[in-house]
Amino acid sequence: KNEVEQSPQNLTAQEGEFITINCSYSVGISALHWLQQHPGGGIVSLFMLSSGKKKHGRLIATINIQEKHSSLHITASHPRDSAVYICAVSPNTDKLIFGTGTRLQVFP
Amino acid sequence: ETGVTQSPTHLIKTRGQQVTLRCSSQSGHNTVSWYQQALGQGPQFIFQYYREEENGRGNFPPRFSGLQFPNYSSELNVNALELDDSALYLCASSLGFSGYNEQFFGPGTRLTVL
Repeated sequence: KNEVEQSPQNLTAQEGEFITINCSYSVGISALHWLQQHPGGGIVSLFMLSSGKKKHGRLIATINIQEKHSSLHITASHPRDSAVYICAVSPNTDKLIFGTGTRLQVFP
Repeated sequence: ETGVTQSPTHLIKTRGQQVTLRCSSQSGHNTVSWYQQALGQGPQFIFQYYREEENGRGNFPPRFSGLQFPNYSSELNVNALELDDSALYLCASSLGFSGYNEQFFGPGTRLTVL
């Protein structure tokens, strides 16, 4: 069993829909990261959080440390949000353990 | 402020050859981590360097080796290339390795081994 599990693996949505991606992990962590990867490979850090909730524009990330679960929400989705979203955890250093990613496609 | 850069962008090698990949960390960052991402998979941790010393290693054989220079840039060397080494290689820089530092990723080097 992977230490970081994401669901769903693939997600399609119509423009404007509310999207949720889930991440569960089985190790103790210092922080959890949500990352975005576009075709071609480059990874962009969206959020790093240790507790509670963070919001940036249309993106919201929450974490429940007791349940070892995090969610990434996208409000009013747009085709430019199409990408792979990856959850990663840092156990006690900056060496990240990654999930396999959720491929999101948003259609106009 | 200069972001993380990697070179080359793409590389094609044959089995048995050796390859060196390079990473320039973001200005002021003293920690560089290297990851291997096979097609359709999440990245896997290879190793991390902090102030020129290896600071942890993932489950990769010794033919994967690295260096970090005084300016904190880094190299990843892979000897005796195998077909399974074909992947996207990512480096990420951060300020320290406490687990609470945001990591900044480079664009990656795509290695193809034939």
